[in-house]
Amino acid sequence: GQNIDQPTEMTATEGAIVQINCTYQTSGFNGLFWYQQHAGEAPTFLSYNVLDGLEEKGRFSSFLSRSKGYSYLLLKELQMKDSASYLCAVRDSNYQLIWGAGTKLIIKP
Amino acid sequence: GAVVSQHPSWVICKSGTSVKIECRSLDFQATTMFWYRQFPKQSLMLMATSNEGSKATYEQGVEKDKFLINHASLTLSTLTVTSAHPEDSSFYICSASDRGTGNSPLHFGNGTRLTVT
Repeated sequence: GQNIDQPTEMTATEGAIVQINCTYQTSGFNGLFWYQQHAGEAPTFLSYNVLDGLEEKGRFSSFLSRSKGYSYLLLKELQMKDSASYLCAVRDSNYQLIWGAGTKLIIKP
Repeated sequence: GAVVSQHPSWVICKSGTSVKIECRSLDFQATTMFWYRQFPKQSLMLMATSNEGSKATYEQGVEKDKFLINHASLTLSTLTVTSAHPEDSSFYICSASDRGTGNSPLHFGNGTRLTVT
């Protein structure tokens, strides 16, 4: 079956750096997405990786290793507003999006 | 960037009534839209895939006669919750991608919070 694993919850300190990992086993691979979802709101798109390596976008970076079925989202200079759930999703060979359960990130002052 | 508009943002209805939720792609054509449901503190659950001009594809366990989906144009899909009951109270979110731009991400509407009393 298809599966995406990410930690349920993480805690970090304001101003620090945090890395949220995601591992996947899917039927084929057509890209990996990271979304941010604040409580009570819809997800918003953060990043997309289809080739191995690091994609940087401001304070957020996302890394992909297809051979290891692994990705991480790196958040730098954490701000209180970064407290949210972070969702990892993989597009499989049928172009279906397989979703992880999300990682709740708690930022402490 | 691609924008998806969802309406209404929240609705309260009485048990037994029907509620229609609209999802529009504002600046791109979407041959496929997706309808998700999310209960508090739980992950997104795909309910159905809405295909323009054809029948929707429902996920296992989702009643197609209860959750009616119509995708009559390339920019509009609607979800109607028929004979709503309190257990249907949830956060419903639609999404679509702009297939015209290759491997584009899924963009979400702002969601509809449904409360059935």
